[in-house]
Amino acid sequence: AQKITQTQPGMFVQEKEAVTLDCTYDTSDQSYGLFWYKQPSSGEMIFLIYQGSYDEQNATEGRYSLNFQKARKSANLVISASQLGDSAMYFCAMREDLDQGGSEKLVFGKGTKLTVNP
Amino acid sequence: EADIYQTPRYLVIGTGKKITLECSQTMGHDKMYWYQQDPGMELHLIHYSYGVNSTEKGDLSSESTVSRIRTEHFPLTLESARPSHTSQYLCASSESGTDYNSPLHFGNGTRLTVT
Repeated sequence: AQKITQTQPGMFVQEKEAVTLDCTYDTSDQSYGLFWYKQPSSGEMIFLIYQGSYDEQNATEGRYSLNFQKARKSANLVISASQLGDSAMYFCAMREDLDQGGSEKLVFGKGTKLTVNP
Repeated sequence: EADIYQTPRYLVIGTGKKITLECSQTMGHDKMYWYQQDPGMELHLIHYSYGVNSTEKGDLSSESTVSRIRTEHFPLTLESARPSHTSQYLCASSESGTDYNSPLHFGNGTRLTVT
C-alpha cells in the first residue's frame, strides 16, 4: 500500500513571496506518479502539476514547480510569487493500481491549508 | 479542458430520504470515480468504474451504490440518507491506458447535508 504524508496542516506566506509545501510518500513500486491538486473554499479539485518517478527533471508549470527528491521520497510543491488567489487547500497525491482490471486511483494526503497574506 | 459535471451543487435533505447524486463527463473517459471528503480532510475513494457495466467499491466503506449504464454517466445513490452521510462527494474521471501522468479530472462536487 502507498501512503502520502503532508506534515504541515497550515502555512502562511506573504504576497509575492515563495512558499514550499511538503509531501513525502511511501511506496515499493518502481514506477509511480505524483500529483498536486489545489482545492479552493468552493470545493473543486484543480490539477496543478505532475511528476513521474522516472522523470529526470523537476516538473514546472508556470509559478508551480515540484522539488522531487526520489531517494528521500519527497515531492514538495514550490509556489513562487504567491498571490492572494493561491489561498486554498493543497493536496499531494500518488497514483496507485486498484486491481487487474486496469484501473487505478489517486491516494491523497491530508492536505495543507495555505493562507496568503497581503 | 476537463468537462465533468455534478448536480446538485448543494443538497439539504431529511433523514430517510432516497437521493441520487449525478455525475456526467463529456470526454469519453472509461474510468470514473467517487470520492468522499469531510471538511478540511483528505479524500477517500468510495466507488470506481473502469467502463460500462463495471462498478467496484473503494477503500472507504459506504452505504451508497453506483451504476454505470453509459460511459458518460456515473450516478451515486443513497437509499436512505442519514446524518452520518453528511459530507462532500467528488466525482472524477481519467483517460484509459497505463499512462501514469494522466490526472484525474474532478467535478465541482456535491455538498450533502442530512438533517
